[in-house]
Amino acid sequence: DTAVSQTPKYLVTQMGNDKSIKCEQNLGHDTMYWYKQDSKKFLKIMFSYNNKELIINETVPNRFSPKSPDKAHLNLHINSLELGDSAVYFCASSPAGPGSGANVLTFGAGSRLTVL
Amino acid sequence: AQKVTQAQTEISVVEKEDVTLDCVYETRDTTYYLFWYKQPPSGELVFLIRRNSFDEQNEISGRYSWNFQKSTSSFNFTITASQVVDSAVYFCALRSYNTDKLIFGTGTRLQVFP
Repeated sequence: DTAVSQTPKYLVTQMGNDKSIKCEQNLGHDTMYWYKQDSKKFLKIMFSYNNKELIINETVPNRFSPKSPDKAHLNLHINSLELGDSAVYFCASSPAGPGSGANVLTFGAGSRLTVL
Repeated sequence: AQKVTQAQTEISVVEKEDVTLDCVYETRDTTYYLFWYKQPPSGELVFLIRRNSFDEQNEISGRYSWNFQKSTSSFNFTITASQVVDSAVYFCALRSYNTDKLIFGTGTRLQVFP
């Protein structure tokens, strides 16, 4: 039973299109994240949500809009896709609460987005 | 500002060699946590270890060992008797006490040849 699942695993699309990546976790965690991994393997946080509330928004273009309908889901919608958006997007989750820095992030398998 | 540096971009070894992956971090916080993750060729991110800033004891888990030294702000990872299955990108990461933000280093690609 997958703990953090993302769909789709692969996404190939044209510049200018709008696309979404979905993420669900069944770990009962309160906090969910989106990370972007570029072609050089660099992992950078984009967003975090705690119980549906946006906590971290890391200077990501407005074309990226996360949506959390409930604490088990965090979807990523991208408008007007650009070539530079090509990357692997990882969803993750962790428990929340005081001293949350100790909590381990559990990652999904990643969604590889290719913009042509 | 917080930062994690993995100066080794790529390391190649032959099976059964020992290899150490370096990690140096910067933080002004007194309480923080350090992590190592493994990303095999299949692409997923696998958690390996977490260490808190108050615990400088080295840790050993099978062929893996970690050396945490606050004096040099380093958290190095050693694989003893490396195997082909150890081939992966390894990430060191840092997180402060009461924050959601996990900051990754740039990763070290380890290739183990038979």
